[in-house]
Amino acid sequence: GIQVEQSPPDLILQEGANSTLRCNFSDSVNNLQWFHQNPWGQLINLFYIPSGTKQNGRLSATTVATERYSLLYISSSQTTDSGVYFCAVERYSSASKIIFGSGTRLSIRP
Amino acid sequence: SQTIHQWPATLVQPVGSPLSLECTVEGTSNPNLYWYRQAAGRGLQLLFYSIGIDQISSEVPQNLSASRPQDRQFILSSKKLLLSDSGFYLCAWSFTGVNTGELFFGEGSRLTVL
Repeated sequence: GIQVEQSPPDLILQEGANSTLRCNFSDSVNNLQWFHQNPWGQLINLFYIPSGTKQNGRLSATTVATERYSLLYISSSQTTDSGVYFCAVERYSSASKIIFGSGTRLSIRP
Repeated sequence: SQTIHQWPATLVQPVGSPLSLECTVEGTSNPNLYWYRQAAGRGLQLLFYSIGIDQISSEVPQNLSASRPQDRQFILSSKKLLLSDSGFYLCAWSFTGVNTGELFFGEGSRLTVL
């Protein structure tokens, strides 16, 4: 089956720093999502981005489907950005084929 | 707009006891529904998904079962819990049709089996 790898696994930054999180996938995908899991466990949708670039405030994401990767950029980090960031890919147009990466744990120090 | 809720938020159960977690979606019809489990510090594992009433597919063999008695209701159950069933359970939904890949998650249910 498709493999989804996220890097780095852990990232510790000072408040105000910028960061880039990466998601590689081993086969072509129909869709890709980025999520932020906050310290209370809730998964928050960040981007639904099968291809191209999207921006939402300090966050932006780029997916290059032909090269099988996606990047999540966080600028001017805040402590509230801490948590685990997951990417999830849909391999086929089937409800069952949504595969998650193992996540990047981001810690923003004040 | 669509909303999803699951309960209870926290549950502590003894080994061998039954389990019932419930999830409901509002504001949409015939959603795809999912149950995921997240062990501590790990990624999300898909347990069950459903494309319609009484249509349940299991991704991994386990001590759990799922049911969908109504269009927007999804229930995760166990007759006898094991220690290994501890974890964070998340219900999710997606639209049917073209954009089935965009998932929306509930608040999660944290289960501790003692």
